[in-house]
Amino acid sequence: DAGVIQSPRHEVTEMGQEVTLRCKPISGHDYLFWYRQTMMRGLELLIYFNNNVPIDDSGMPEDRFSAKMPNASFSTLKIQPSEPRDSAVYFCASSLSGLGGNQPQHFGDGTRLSIL
Amino acid sequence: AQSVAQPEDQVNVAEGNPLTVKCTYSVSGNPYLFWYVQYPNRGLQFLLKYITGDNLVKGSYGFEAEFNKSQTSFHLKKPSALVSDSALYFCAVRTDTGRRALTFGSGTRLQVQP
Repeated sequence: DAGVIQSPRHEVTEMGQEVTLRCKPISGHDYLFWYRQTMMRGLELLIYFNNNVPIDDSGMPEDRFSAKMPNASFSTLKIQPSEPRDSAVYFCASSLSGLGGNQPQHFGDGTRLSIL
Repeated sequence: AQSVAQPEDQVNVAEGNPLTVKCTYSVSGNPYLFWYVQYPNRGLQFLLKYITGDNLVKGSYGFEAEFNKSQTSFHLKKPSALVSDSALYFCAVRTDTGRRALTFGSGTRLQVQP
């Protein structure tokens, strides 16, 4: 049973470049979440989708960040232009809705992003 | 607003001894509580959850957690620690209403010494 798949696993790029992170959720899951993890700020929720529709994007840092979910099996998180302070590990997670939302989230192994 | 506190940055325990990783929470409404473990260069893995019912919940790898409503706590426990349990542990909470996203604690690093 394939888990959440993220690509690339590592990304190193120069400041100002566009960065696109990709996520394939577990088949059948109707919720998808994007998180960012840093030593200073821990795990932060950026945005989440339900049935491909963005529900809460209040955690997106600024307009340089955007996320899309064109279908149930694919989502992207884009940073344009990238800045060194965007360096972090970005996680995608998916879950079933369950009864009242009692289902756990399943995480991918993350994308380690370094902006030089 | 909901929040989670993990008061210990690191917990050290000898192999074979019992371990406890502490978590307290604050929510409006009924809490759904989760524990996750993170190994180096990996995503978070679900360990166990409390939704309703028995206050003692059992999860993966021999871990269990006790929900205490009066103390708003959900401590993670294991009777006998293994070196392989060394990892970063996160407590998380959401409510039965409101947004579906979890609020995570800052994490506790568990170090089990042989």
